[in-house]
Amino acid sequence: SQQGEEDPQALSIQEGENATMNCSYKTSINNLQWYRQNSGRGLVHLILIRSNEREKHSGRLRVTLDTSKKSSSLLITASRAADTASYFCATYRTSYGKLTFGQGTILTVHP
Amino acid sequence: GAVVSQHPSRVICKSGTSVKIECRSLDFQATTMFWYRQFPKQSLMLMATSNEGSKATYEQGVEKDKFLINHASLTLSTLTVTSAHPEDSSFYICSESGAGNTEAFFGQGTRLTVV
Repeated sequence: SQQGEEDPQALSIQEGENATMNCSYKTSINNLQWYRQNSGRGLVHLILIRSNEREKHSGRLRVTLDTSKKSSSLLITASRAADTASYFCATYRTSYGKLTFGQGTILTVHP
Repeated sequence: GAVVSQHPSRVICKSGTSVKIECRSLDFQATTMFWYRQFPKQSLMLMATSNEGSKATYEQGVEKDKFLINHASLTLSTLTVTSAHPEDSSFYICSESGAGNTEAFFGQGTRLTVV
């Protein structure tokens, strides 16, 4: 079954606003990763956060991980129209050996 | 970071024919690659794990005779959709890694349309 569940399924905001996407999962993990996918393209890695980390930053991206709640969030600050894409979380467990993707959030940033 | 090249990016084929999709690692040796299928506005579904020099490992429900995977070298994995039918129309994506404590690198994806 799908490990990650994301919400919202779709998010529409204005340029300059912040966008927050959430991901929940069901089992223990070794790391959680966030990816971006432009329409009709492959996925691009954004951030990887390990199970012993609580927060990571990369440019305008901030990711948090709460292993007690089995949830993660991705915050994009000062959004731009170019941020319009689908965003996926993916969990990795050593025992499984593969990534399991969430359902994704479709983000639309209006100029 | 690693570069994974996938082609073709788009292919249209007639029902009953076979289509081969290639996934190349351009700057590293990939002993393991992954093949995913993605329906419109949905998530990625892992189809199989491609292992260099050995048989691929298929996920439950994926027909191995339908989706033939070959990983004959450390830089090339191929997915062949045999006797394609319209229901096989989908977006297929390959990736390297994603099986370790590191990021995964994805190909550009292939949009397959079977008519």
